[in-house]
Amino acid sequence: SQQGEEDPQALSIQEGENATMNCSYKTSINNLQWYRQNSGRGLVHLILIRSNEREKHSGRLRVTLDTSKKSSSLLITASRAADTASYFCATDRGAGNNRKLIWGLGTSLAVNP
Amino acid sequence: GAGVSQSPSNKVTEKGKDVELRCDPISGHTALYWYRQRLGQGLEFLIYFQGNSAPDKSGLPSDRFSAERTGESVSTLTIQRTQQEDSAVYLCASSPPGGYEQFFGPGTRLTVL
Repeated sequence: SQQGEEDPQALSIQEGENATMNCSYKTSINNLQWYRQNSGRGLVHLILIRSNEREKHSGRLRVTLDTSKKSSSLLITASRAADTASYFCATDRGAGNNRKLIWGLGTSLAVNP
Repeated sequence: GAGVSQSPSNKVTEKGKDVELRCDPISGHTALYWYRQRLGQGLEFLIYFQGNSAPDKSGLPSDRFSAERTGESVSTLTIQRTQQEDSAVYLCASSPPGGYEQFFGPGTRLTVL
């Protein structure tokens, strides 16, 4: 099945540095969402960017969307050890009862103290 | 308020046995999703319920998998004649009417011996 693809697969940085993760997809979308998954809090929604938006901010998170390139990036600024987690992009596709999220394989982020 | 709950949290079963996994969505959420996540992988869509409409079963991997939902509340995912490749975390999510963000439960970790 079609999936978004995140890169890099794994990223290791020092606390205080910025982390950038990318996501590419293949078909038209309604919106694109980023989620975080860690053992403590499970899978949690971070931010949603609609197909007609180009950039969105939420706290230390910045998401961009380029529909011409079918790609998105998630930037986490001033990273903290607590940001250590897997980050997934999910593309919202289809309509009506066929509308669903298609998930990427995730980027594993390690923030070292 | 209460989030999405799933039970059991862990299930160990023998190959060939049937298992039933339960999901209680957030009250008022009309959409309910089941996903499978294998170790180190992204989310694999299984089935989607939206209100009283016919469910989207397009992600179910075989006829051993089935799911039901009672109105807009509890859902059960049943796996018959379990195989070792069914071992994974099964995640349930729900969304409010008109909402696109998915709220996830903690998952059921299924191990088939």
